[in-house]
Amino acid sequence: SQQGEEDPQALSIQEGENATMNCSYKTSINNLQWYRQNSGRGLVHLILIRSNEREKHSGRLRVTLDTSKKSSSLLITASRAADTASYFCATDEKSSGDKLTFGTGTRLAVRP
Amino acid sequence: DSGVTQTPKHLITATGQRVTLRCSPRSGDLSVYWYQQSLDQGLQFLIQYYNGEERAKGNILERFSAQQFPDLHSELNLSSLELGDSALYFCASKPSGGYTGELFFGEGSRLTVL
Repeated sequence: SQQGEEDPQALSIQEGENATMNCSYKTSINNLQWYRQNSGRGLVHLILIRSNEREKHSGRLRVTLDTSKKSSSLLITASRAADTASYFCATDEKSSGDKLTFGTGTRLAVRP
Repeated sequence: DSGVTQTPKHLITATGQRVTLRCSPRSGDLSVYWYQQSLDQGLQFLIQYYNGEERAKGNILERFSAQQFPDLHSELNLSSLELGDSALYFCASKPSGGYTGELFFGEGSRLTVL
């Protein structure tokens, strides 16, 4: 079963624009992570935000977390064609130990 | 390069057959996770091992089994294969010792069942 649901399922933007992806989850979490997956490749970790944090930055990435709404957003600023990939949120649920549960993903296409 | 190695990269087999997928975690990582990614199901957690012991179990079919060996490599065995088992199977590893976060993924094994 999926813990996280990403929204939108697919997003197409022009190079230089910002891309925002949202993730909703169902249970209490220890932390929330975002991963990137180029087509057919392994997932690569982007950023982790702990349940007691509200916002985190890493380069062109900005992640927010609202535990009261059980939601997170990933903002990629000044997008590049190389950002074209699928983006997944993943939650480390308090009740499930080490299990990391992934959302359904957002497919981002950045047009040159 | 994540440091996680999966073999084989591609595998084509027939229904009813059995296959074994192999994963070597990053040096020193004690935790190994297996995930299945198919087009209509997203990324599904199958099972996790920690230092040879099963730690967590997800929606893993009874036809599937896994183990982690003393040298920490892991194998995922898929038997009585069905068309619906066609998917990308990922292995990931994580450092131990209180580390709470990031998984390091291999490049996956693409299984096609004909």
